[in-house]
Amino acid sequence: EIVLTQSPATLSLSPGERATLSCRSRQSFSDFLAWYQQKPGQAPRLVIYDTSRRATGIPARFSGSGSGTDFTLTISTVEPEDFAVYYCQQRNIWPPRHTFGQGTKLEIK
Amino acid sequence: VQLVESGGGLVQPGGSLRISCTASGFTFDTYWMSWVRQAPGKGLEWVANIKHDGSEKYYADSVKGRFTISRDNAKNSLYLQMNSLRVEDTAVFYCARDTRCDGESCYSEGLDIWGQGTVVTVSS
Repeated sequence: EIVLTQSPATLSLSPGERATLSCRSRQSFSDFLAWYQQKPGQAPRLVIYDTSRRATGIPARFSGSGSGTDFTLTISTVEPEDFAVYYCQQRNIWPPRHTFGQGTKLEIK
Repeated sequence: VQLVESGGGLVQPGGSLRISCTASGFTFDTYWMSWVRQAPGKGLEWVANIKHDGSEKYYADSVKGRFTISRDNAKNSLYLQMNSLRVEDTAVFYCARDTRCDGESCYSEGLDIWGQGTVVTVSS
């Protein structure tokens, strides 16, 4: 079973700064990895899928990278609307089960 | 493109509840569908998913044997039958659009559409 560990648990930044969020797995996988943004009282929103592809409507300041056991979500210049909790998620090729990381809260410094 | 959940509520431990999700704006019977839950103040937990034609179903270990996912493609609807409910099942339950299939070829683009969630509270 894949276990995803996100770090840091909380990231405190000011608008305009660069955000780097990490998602690590104990075992290497070449399967699908995605990132989601969730704001209080709202459903999650897909940000990145297939490690590096931006979802529809996601600004270019969001980018994803990584392979094997280490994956990263980068926000090049954090905007006020970006403060939220971010989850990484992996989907096995087979069986097609999903696993979420525990989340990183991006908060205003 | 929209997903709307319904059927949540308060149920006693050991009880049962069925929640539903109605899809609109896309070809429902070409997508796998998932249920994801979020306990109060906690992170996201994947619960179950079902193949576009209903022929395959997968569950998280925490709900296996107690929950059953199903779908009715004629009604563009997804269901989750929850039995033997426990206090720790208390959560917001979201339905989400999963992998897209074209015949036997399937393509994952993430859980790209989510409903607004329905609240399930298990308490005496």
